[in-house]
Amino acid sequence: QKEVEQDPGPLSVPEGAIVSLNCTYSNSAFQYFMWYRQYSRKGPELLMYTYSSGNKEDGRFTAQVDKSSKYISLFIRDSQPSDSATYLCAMTDYGNNRLAFGKGNQVVVIP
Amino acid sequence: SQTIHQWPATLVQPVGSPLSLECTVEGTSNPNLYWYRQAAGRGLQLLFYSVGIGQISSEVPQNLSASRPQDRQFILSSKKLLLSDSGFYLCAWSSSARGYYEQYFGPGTRLTVT
Repeated sequence: QKEVEQDPGPLSVPEGAIVSLNCTYSNSAFQYFMWYRQYSRKGPELLMYTYSSGNKEDGRFTAQVDKSSKYISLFIRDSQPSDSATYLCAMTDYGNNRLAFGKGNQVVVIP
Repeated sequence: SQTIHQWPATLVQPVGSPLSLECTVEGTSNPNLYWYRQAAGRGLQLLFYSVGIGQISSEVPQNLSASRPQDRQFILSSKKLLLSDSGFYLCAWSSSARGYYEQYFGPGTRLTVT
């Protein structure tokens, strides 16, 4: 079983729709959960991080963590063509420099 | 604010040639530094990380090496490149004081070995 599973997509949505992305993981020790956005041929950009379970909102972005199900989600409201990118989830446990990454989910927002 | 630089941006090298990629971070002291490789369909692979000058941890045994000659400089090297070394190389940093899990990536170097 892979440590982090993420559907690679691509996921195509019309402009203005809600984008829903998720990752599942196997290591119950994970406590820090991150979402990165990566545009083509660029480095990943940290979007949000969440500690333990719960929700976190930042503008149009909402991150959710359900540790009991080992499942995390990222929602993008009112999606824009500029949101077209690959989104990677990442996670780690306390004191660990090593992040476990998902393979990334490509999102295409169609104008 | 902190910024991270990588160069070169792109590189085409023949098999068997040496490699040197450089990463520097500005605006912070004593950062944790990381080298990743991103290959198509394989996600991000951690190659090396460093918590201080001269301190290097290797995650994957291969023909690559890393060095940290200065606090905010991280170098990835190889004596002889293989075809399988092609990929997108990313340097990242995180704070050693807090938020080590918040890793910030550079723009990357795209390496093609021919």
